[in-house]
Amino acid sequence: SQKIEQNSEALNIQEGKTATLTCNYTNYSPAYLQWYRQDPGRGPVFLLLIRENEKEKRKERLKVTFDTTLKQSLFHITASQPADSATYLCASRKGSARQLTFGSGTQLTVLP
Amino acid sequence: ETGVTQSPTHLIKTRGQQVTLRCSSQSGHNTVSWYQQALGQGPQFIFQYYREEENGRGNFPPRFSGLQFPNYSSELNVNALELDDSALYLCASSLEGLETDTQYFGPGTRLTVL
Repeated sequence: SQKIEQNSEALNIQEGKTATLTCNYTNYSPAYLQWYRQDPGRGPVFLLLIRENEKEKRKERLKVTFDTTLKQSLFHITASQPADSATYLCASRKGSARQLTFGSGTQLTVLP
Repeated sequence: ETGVTQSPTHLIKTRGQQVTLRCSSQSGHNTVSWYQQALGQGPQFIFQYYREEENGRGNFPPRFSGLQFPNYSSELNVNALELDDSALYLCASSLEGLETDTQYFGPGTRLTVL
């Protein structure tokens, strides 16, 4: 079956370090992947989109990569800050489906 | 530019009751999608509305229904509530025709079914 998966284990890192989150997909080839941030009790907020023909995308301290060979996207936050603590979700369309399918999210905590 | 708003913020119902949740789309957006998010999970797609018609549906039973109005606002109705319906319900608006489906989410409605 077609799946989009994120490491469900929480990630704790020290302030100033680079956080790396993983999104894997199986049995389909998404045209793009999106990354969202979600704070507790709030709706997700769109951060970045990367297309299948793009290797890397950057926005300020954020960087996303897309490896179609490994069927994986990596989301990096450089010089992380406690304010970056949140759950990060990846999402894509599966095949011809109209809707976005989300991974389960990875909870990031940046320790001061 | 007005963002996506949802009402109510919180709601407590008992099993078997019916509930209506409301959403106002971001200005300029013509498509609205509803998601259910259980604790510790990603949002699960319920359905999408475009031009007042259902435009796609996820794996949810018919007791989940919706409406979209001419001003692009929307309602989610759930009949015969079950305990497992307790979740955060998210509304997201977008602009049909863009290939990337970027979703702009509201703050959500927290539904508790007792």
